Amino acid sequence: QKEVEQDPGPLSVPEGAIVSLNCTYSNSAFQYFMWYRQYSRKGPELLMYTYSSGNKEDGRFTAQVDKSSKYISLFIRDSQPSDSATYLCAMRTSGGYQKVTFGTGTKLQVIP
Amino acid sequence: NAGVTQTPKFQVLKTGQSMTLQCAQDMNHNSMYWYRQDPGMGLRLIYYSASEGTTDKGEVPNGYNVSRLNKREFSLRLESAAPSQTSVYFCASSDVTQGSSYNSPLHFGNGTRLTVT
Repeated sequence: QKEVEQDPGPLSVPEGAIVSLNCTYSNSAFQYFMWYRQYSRKGPELLMYTYSSGNKEDGRFTAQVDKSSKYISLFIRDSQPSDSATYLCAMRTSGGYQKVTFGTGTKLQVIP
Repeated sequence: NAGVTQTPKFQVLKTGQSMTLQCAQDMNHNSMYWYRQDPGMGLRLIYYSASEGTTDKGEVPNGYNVSRLNKREFSLRLESAAPSQTSVYFCASSDVTQGSSYNSPLHFGNGTRLTVT
């Protein structure tokens, strides 16, 4: 079983929709949770990060962590065609500075 | 500001050939990494270098060697390429300080697409 599970999609939504992307994990020692966005033929770039449980909002993006359920989510409000990309969840333990574990990524397409 | 630069962008090798993937960062970061990305497997860490002069194995190090040439440069070498090494390779860097609670993000290059036939 992988430490981090992520639905690969693809997920296709109309412009303006609310998008929910999710990951589950099995390692209870994970403390830092991140979402990366990867455009086609580009490297991933950090979109959001949260420490431990709770919500964090940044513009149209909200990251949510539920450590009791070992479940993290990324919500995108008012989705735009420019949001079309692959979204990777990532996480690490408190001391595992160099060892980030990634999900396999969910490919999102926002249709104009 | 270039960030993380990887060369080459594309490469085709025959089984048994060797090559070195180059990576350089201009952000003065301490840590550098090599990942491979495969469909259905996500990003997997091959090797990392926490600081100049140190390297450590990641999740999938077999068949690879690395050199941290200086603070800026971190190369990945395939001594005898195999078809199983067909992948997209990403170099990344981060400004990690041990003991700090700051979560320094990984900064990635745009990848090298390697095919081994």
